Amino acid sequence: TQLLEQSPQFLSIQEGENLTVYCNSSSVFSSLQWYRQEPGEGPVLLVTVVTGGEVKKLKRLTFQFGDARKDSSLHITAAQPGDTGLYLCAGDPQGGSEKLVFGKGTKLTVNP
Amino acid sequence: NAGVTQTPKFRVLKTGQSMTLLCAQDMNHEYMYWYRQDPGMGLRLIHYSVGEGTTAKGEVPDGYNVSRLKKQNFLLGLESAAPSQTSVYFCASSSFTRGEAFFGQGTRLTVV
Repeated sequence: TQLLEQSPQFLSIQEGENLTVYCNSSSVFSSLQWYRQEPGEGPVLLVTVVTGGEVKKLKRLTFQFGDARKDSSLHITAAQPGDTGLYLCAGDPQGGSEKLVFGKGTKLTVNP
Repeated sequence: NAGVTQTPKFRVLKTGQSMTLLCAQDMNHEYMYWYRQDPGMGLRLIHYSVGEGTTAKGEVPDGYNVSRLKKQNFLLGLESAAPSQTSVYFCASSSFTRGEAFFGQGTRLTVV
């Protein structure tokens, strides 16, 4: 079973702080996706990383795929209350599978 | 475009009752998925479909059935609801296997 472990499970910070959340596995993934889910809504894709060592930026969010394609991180600079939500990583297992593997998510709360 | 639409959005069932959740997508996607989301458990795949007329079991299929008679629709059925099936159910679709998943807004089901 290819598992994706996300940490921390919960994170509560003040507006303006920086934070990093992690998505780790012992398995290799062809690609990793990051989703954000707001209360009462379905997850929405933020980014897909494909190449080992790849870094992608989306405004104040920076995503990195590990060199060995087993882990990924999401760094948020100067967090804002609008960043509040559940952040999910999802992996495309190498070797073939018809479905994504999802982590359990990091619930982020940014207090004003 | 509506994207992925789920009906109903909320439902309360009595133990033993049956119901069908409908998912409709207007993006001409081949792949469709049903997940349940429970606190601390993340997204767990119930059933999925790789094309019209096909279905396959996911991680937690027991107590559920599905049908994909038309490409745009994916139905999830509960034949005899149990309190353990109280959850938020999400439908998703993607244009290719393990690609970006587009989610509906979810159905909050309570079984009493």
